[in-house]
Amino acid sequence: DSGVTQTPKHLITATGQRVTLRCSPRSGDLSVYWYQQSLDQGLQFLIQYYNGEERAKGNILERFSAQQFPDLHSELNLSSLELGDSALYFCASSVASGPGNTIYFGEGSWLTVV
Amino acid sequence: SQQGEEDPQALSIQEGENATMNCSYKTSINNLQWYRQNSGRGLVHLILIRSNEREKHSGRLRVTLDTSKKSSSLLITASRAADTASYFCATPPRRGAQKLVFGQGTRLTINP
Repeated sequence: DSGVTQTPKHLITATGQRVTLRCSPRSGDLSVYWYQQSLDQGLQFLIQYYNGEERAKGNILERFSAQQFPDLHSELNLSSLELGDSALYFCASSVASGPGNTIYFGEGSWLTVV
Repeated sequence: SQQGEEDPQALSIQEGENATMNCSYKTSINNLQWYRQNSGRGLVHLILIRSNEREKHSGRLRVTLDTSKKSSSLLITASRAADTASYFCATPPRRGAQKLVFGQGTRLTINP
């Protein structure tokens, strides 16, 4: 158990809908990351937050947004869902924002768009 | 964009044998991390090796780093069926960045 908690574990929704994925980082970790894993794209970095502020942005679509709250939990919002958004979404956390910190991953949220 | 590239893409060996996976990356890095992923599960952190380290051990795992060749290897000794998983190397996309960029992984199968 990495200590990173993600909910829900599985989610099935229809195209055009909106979903929210939730992440609680490890106790004491200030940095949160979101990744998307699909068969054709592999593991893709989406976005990073550090202590409530956006720190780095990756291949995140405009239909997607995220935030980190004062209690350090984070949410990833996916809207106008398309079939291609079906993937495993991971949240990860680390203590700080500098390089060299181990990044710990949650078990992921399986999203299926039908 | 991919930073790390694992090789081979798939590896199948007999239980008890050693497994070696390689990773090449493109830019100068501060550290390189190896992760394991069982099918459909989360990524489990295995080892972090810093750019000033050449070798690191953790149990049956040995990781080497050659910054001159921009490559790393992960050796699993005395493999077990439970080692069956995908293994990924991950590096920052550039020196100083903290986010990790993952390769496509090596799918390791340990046959009993």
